[in-house]
Amino acid sequence: GENVEQHPSTLSVQEGDSAVIKCTYSDSASNYFPWYKQELGKGPQLIIDIRSNVGEKKDQRIAVTLNKTAKHFSLHITETQPEDSAVYFCAASIGGTSYGKLTFGQGTILTVHP
Amino acid sequence: NAGVMQNPRHLVRRRGQEARLRCSPMKGHSHVYWYRQLPEEGLKFMVYLQKENIIDESGMPKERFSAEFPKEGPSILRIQQVVRGDSAAYFCASSLNTDRMNTEAFFGQGTRLTVV
Repeated sequence: GENVEQHPSTLSVQEGDSAVIKCTYSDSASNYFPWYKQELGKGPQLIIDIRSNVGEKKDQRIAVTLNKTAKHFSLHITETQPEDSAVYFCAASIGGTSYGKLTFGQGTILTVHP
Repeated sequence: NAGVMQNPRHLVRRRGQEARLRCSPMKGHSHVYWYRQLPEEGLKFMVYLQKENIIDESGMPKERFSAEFPKEGPSILRIQQVVRGDSAAYFCASSLNTDRMNTEAFFGQGTRLTVV
């Protein structure tokens, strides 16, 4: 089955700096790659996603890049703010009948210091 | 945004009791997924259901766990004879899948099960 590896496990940055989180996946059939933000005591919140027919997608301060050949994708957060502090999860899905069956990475604890 | 609703938010059960977790999908969504999150770990897929059908239960433990999504009412994840190792956060997600496209999954706030 699919396996998703995520790095780093923790990331600490100063407010205003950029943060980058990287993930690799194993199954070349995967074609959907969402990123979720999870705050303490809450459920995962979808922040951005990318499908395999594009290489990059941007939404304000957040961007995701996908390299299908190398089977890795990354989340980029620019101009970080303290409220960006949370656990971030990457995930992969083969899609087909559903994009809801996801294989998650282990998570990255992002801390943004004021 | 009347999102995915899960209840209860917190559930305490003694070893050997049954736990019932409920999930109401977003309005218009007919696909439900259950995930389990152990402390400080990522989410693990358990089961995928449509109304009255289990589509994929490849992540469900073979014993004591069952799930349903009846024609009327919420989806239910049932854990019989709970053990301490069942203590975790259980998340439900829903999506709107059509014949023409798949859509992203939205998660509920989770049910935190503690077995004492």
